[in-house]
Amino acid sequence: QQQVKQSPQSLIVQKGGISIINCAYENTAFDYFPWYQQFPGKGPALLIAIRPDVSEKKEGRFTISFNKSAKQFSLHIMDSQPGDSATYFCAASTRSNFNKFYFGSGTKLNVKP
Amino acid sequence: EAQVTQNPRYLITVTGKKLTVTCSQNMNHEYMSWYRQDPGLGLRQIYYSMNVEVTDKGDVPEGYKVSRKEKRNFPLILESPSPNQTSLYFCASRALTGSYGAKNIQYFGAGTRLSVL
Repeated sequence: QQQVKQSPQSLIVQKGGISIINCAYENTAFDYFPWYQQFPGKGPALLIAIRPDVSEKKEGRFTISFNKSAKQFSLHIMDSQPGDSATYFCAASTRSNFNKFYFGSGTKLNVKP
Repeated sequence: EAQVTQNPRYLITVTGKKLTVTCSQNMNHEYMSWYRQDPGLGLRQIYYSMNVEVTDKGDVPEGYKVSRKEKRNFPLILESPSPNQTSLYFCASRALTGSYGAKNIQYFGAGTRLSVL
């Protein structure tokens, strides 16, 4: 059973638009939520991460919104660019055991020029 | 340059023929891990290692073996591959010491695409 559920599976956005990817989890022990970006032929790379003591974290055009009560978090990409076209994975872990990471199923983003 | 290097990048084999995928990192990281990536399932952890001679199972360890005899290397061994092990495999490493932020950054290799016929 997938510990972290991610949607949508794929997303098409026009250049300049906002891309939104959502993730949900059940395990309340999770307290670290990273997002990874993966380009074709490459391994995933850490994009941005959040801890549940904050509701939002922003780095450039990328923002994570976190709703602890709903056990949901989302990635927002503002002013989406064709270079953002990639597969995005959310993930979750616990600070007590950073050895185990649970990934979502991935979202393939296509930003059209 | 900080790197996680996997070899080979592509591998086609037949059922039952033992194979090893190598993984090496040059960042002196204590922690290393193997994942498999399948469509619709994301990445699933196979095994991880906290340090030399210390390994533990992830979520999908069946059919795989690992060893950690040196800090920089963490090979993945398929003793008798089966078609359901056809997948894209990633090795990753991260530091166990250092600041909170640094400890959380996993560095991934470029992947090994395995086909078992």
